[in-house]
Amino acid sequence: NAGVTQTPKFRVLKTGQSMTLLCAQDMNHEYMYWYRQDPGMGLRLIHYSVGEGTTAKGEVPDGYNVSRLKKQNFLLGLESAAPSQTSVYFCASSFPRVGSSYEQYFGPGTRLTVT
Amino acid sequence: DQQVKQNSPSLSVQEGRISILNCDYTNSMFDYFLWYKKYPAEGPTFLISISSIKDKNEDGRFTVFLNKSAKHLSLHIVPSQPGDSAVYFCAASARIFGNEKLTFGTGTRLTIIP
Repeated sequence: NAGVTQTPKFRVLKTGQSMTLLCAQDMNHEYMYWYRQDPGMGLRLIHYSVGEGTTAKGEVPDGYNVSRLKKQNFLLGLESAAPSQTSVYFCASSFPRVGSSYEQYFGPGTRLTVT
Repeated sequence: DQQVKQNSPSLSVQEGRISILNCDYTNSMFDYFLWYKKYPAEGPTFLISISSIKDKNEDGRFTVFLNKSAKHLSLHIVPSQPGDSAVYFCAASARIFGNEKLTFGTGTRLTIIP
């Protein structure tokens, strides 16, 4: 099993450009999440999905859109990139069930720089 | 409002000694607490968790203690090894069906000195 994979690993964008980050998981998990990590800020939730075809806003959703057309994939889009979106982006997935600890499995991250 | 706080950005410990990482929270609805470990250029990996109905959970060299009255938890690593050098994130979750999310602290960078 590959677990959670993210594409691409690195990307440099100019202000105003758009891009899509792809997350894929092969664990048949229902829930998927997008986080951003910034120095001194920890991991902040951008958007999440509790199942195919559903999405919801997290703590810092502005400037991002997401789609979950297939259970195994969760896409994060930046329509018009801004320097404030320079960050490391992590995707995660989980399979919450009664008695579980909500453990999430993370991908390796995408380092995005917006100039 | 930061609901999960890790007030120590960094910690250095001699190899073989005990490492103690601390975490405080403010939301009484949190019912599970987790610790994640993160190496540079990698995603966080799950380390250990504890339910709010327990006060201790142990897994090998790692033990998590929960003090609900103080809204405080700690991760003990004994003995500390060089491979433990990483950033450790505390996380918490409130059981709301269909809304299972984790709230993370800002992390503590642990350095084990050989």
